Amino acid sequence: KNQVEQSPQSLIILEGKNCTLQCNYTVSPFSNLRWYKQDTGRGPVSLTIMTFSENTKSNGRYTATLDADTKQSSLHITASQLSDSASYICGLTGGGNKLTFGTGTQLKVEL
Amino acid sequence: KAGVTQTPRYLIKTRGQQVTLSCSPISGHRSVSWYQQTPGQGLQFLFEYFSETQRNKGNFPGRFSGRQFSNSRSEMNVSTLELGDSALYLCASSPSGASSEAFFGQGTRLTVV
Repeated sequence: KNQVEQSPQSLIILEGKNCTLQCNYTVSPFSNLRWYKQDTGRGPVSLTIMTFSENTKSNGRYTATLDADTKQSSLHITASQLSDSASYICGLTGGGNKLTFGTGTQLKVEL
Repeated sequence: KAGVTQTPRYLIKTRGQQVTLSCSPISGHRSVSWYQQTPGQGLQFLFEYFSETQRNKGNFPGRFSGRQFSNSRSEMNVSTLELGDSALYLCASSPSGASSEAFFGQGTRLTVV
């Protein structure tokens, strides 16, 4: 069973709208949780990185939240743009300093 | 500052052959990690090298191996290629490992026919 589950698998929204992507995890303990954006044909680019003691982290229009009690993280995108169309991947650094990733949410922003 | 450079960008190999992929990390970064990315499995951790030593290893068969040189450049080798090895192989460099931010290269797209 994958230790990091992301939902939804894919999402289509209109430009200018907000959206929230979910990441549920069972990796425990973990030292940090990351969100990456991956454009088609390119490597992932870091959006946020949070330690287990942080609740929220922002990077421009991207805001990540972390609830260690429910083992959930979310990535909120505000005022979406066409360039936000990409795969968003959640990853956790767990025991042995190994990064475990979810399979990602494919976001498409349309006019 | 130059980013992470992976070569080649694309490769087509035949079953049974072997392949070597190269990764040049960001200057000053001592940790290089390798990942296999496929549509169904997402990013799967292969191994991490730090100062020329393998520090962590994922759950991949021994056909997958790597090494790191004194200048932190890293190579990954896959022997006896199988169709299922077709994937995007990504390397990530960081100053000190998984506790610090990782910067990914563009990846090498390997197709095994």
